[in-house]
Amino acid sequence: QQPVQSPQAVILREGEDAVINCSSSKALYSVHWYRQKHGEAPVFLMILLKGGEQKGHEKISASFNEKKQQSSLYLTASQLSYSGTYFCGTDTGQNTGNQFYFGTGTSLTVIP
Amino acid sequence: DTGVSQNPRHKITKRGQNVTFRCDPISEHNRLYWYRQTLGQGPEFLTYFQNEAQLEKSRLLSDRFSAERPKGSFSTLEIQRTEQGDSAMYLCASSLLGTANSPLHFGNGTRLTVT
Repeated sequence: QQPVQSPQAVILREGEDAVINCSSSKALYSVHWYRQKHGEAPVFLMILLKGGEQKGHEKISASFNEKKQQSSLYLTASQLSYSGTYFCGTDTGQNTGNQFYFGTGTSLTVIP
Repeated sequence: DTGVSQNPRHKITKRGQNVTFRCDPISEHNRLYWYRQTLGQGPEFLTYFQNEAQLEKSRLLSDRFSAERPKGSFSTLEIQRTEQGDSAMYLCASSLLGTANSPLHFGNGTRLTVT
C-alpha cells in the first residue's frame, strides 16, 4: 500500500529541471509532498486534492492524476537548496491516520 | 506558531530498558501522529490521536509500544523492553484537520539507539 516513487535518486546541476513521480495502487483523495533534508524533519511543500488544480510553490509545482492514481512533482531551474529527499504522502479519503502512507522517497542532489 | 517540539533529541539506551519520548504539538492542532523512520525509508505510521482519544494504532506495533495524550495536549510514546530493532528516528506530527486536506507539521524527531 506504500506509494512507489521514481526515480529513486537523481543528481542535477543547478538550473536543471527534474520530475518526481508517485504512484499508488489505491484510489486517492489527496496527495501531499514533503522534502526532508539530512538529519531534519520532513517539511510540507504542498497538498493536491481530488478534483483540484495543479499547485505551485516557488519554482516547484505538482499535478495529480486521479484516474491513474499518480502525482508528479516538478522542480524547475533547480537550486542548491532543493537538495534533499522528497516524499509523497497519499490519503485514500478515509481521513484516518493509518490510511495515510508515505512513498518510498526520491533523493535529489543539486550540484553547482 | 512555535512548531512541533520533541524531546529528547537523542536517546541511547541498553537493550531491555524502557524509554519515553515527549511531543508537544502546535497548540491549536487537535490531531497528533507518531511515525517511525529508518535510514533511507519514508516515515511509517505508528499511531494517531484526535484530541485525547487514540483512534488508531498500526497493526505492526507490538504491545511494547504505548502512547498517551492526556488532556489532548502533549503526547508521550513509551517503548518497553527495548530491542535493537527499535533503533530509529521517532517523529511526531500534528495537523489541524485530517490528512485528506491538512498538512502534517513534523517535529525534529527523537533518534533512538538501542545498544
